[in-house]
Amino acid sequence: QKEVEQNSGPLSVPEGAIASLNCTYSDRGSQSFFWYRQYSGKSPELIMSIYSNGDKEDGRFTAQLNKASQYVSLLIRDSQPSDSATYLCAVNIQGQNFVFGPGTRLSVLP
Amino acid sequence: DAGVTQSPTHLIKTRGQQVTLRCSPKSGHDTVSWYQQALGQGPQFIFQYYEEEERQRGNFPDRFSGHQFPNYSSELNVNALLLGDSALYLCASSFGEENQPQHFGDGTRLSIL
Repeated sequence: QKEVEQNSGPLSVPEGAIASLNCTYSDRGSQSFFWYRQYSGKSPELIMSIYSNGDKEDGRFTAQLNKASQYVSLLIRDSQPSDSATYLCAVNIQGQNFVFGPGTRLSVLP
Repeated sequence: DAGVTQSPTHLIKTRGQQVTLRCSPKSGHDTVSWYQQALGQGPQFIFQYYEEEERQRGNFPDRFSGHQFPNYSSELNVNALLLGDSALYLCASSFGEENQPQHFGDGTRLSIL
């Protein structure tokens, strides 16, 4: 079992819709979780960090964490074509620093 | 407020050669992590430097080594380059504890011929 898993996509949503990106992780002791956005040919850009169970909102983005289910998600409301990118989930796993998932490619269709 | 800066942006080497990549952290950050990202994959953790010491290391061979200077900047050295070392090398900086958010530089694209 891989330590951080994401659906590779592509996930296609129409403009204005909600995009839902999911991530599961294997280490029950993990305490810190991060979402990054990576445009093609560019470096990852931090979107959200979340440390506690529940929801955390920042503008159009909401991160959701459920430690019991070892699940973290990212919701993007009112999706825009400029949101089209690869979204990387990162988990701070003890002794291994940040472990990234393979990323989910999101395509927002005009 | 300068972000994370990396140099060079692109590099072409041949098998067996050695390479040094450089990174300056974001202002106020004292911790530098290095990652390797192959095409279509997520970044893979190489190692992290804090207070001029290697604090953590990922599953990379000893050919990969690093250094952190008193001004918190860092170098990544790779010896005996292999074709499989071709990748985007990313530097990320953060402050203090291991669980703090990391901010990435633009990366160095390394191609091995």
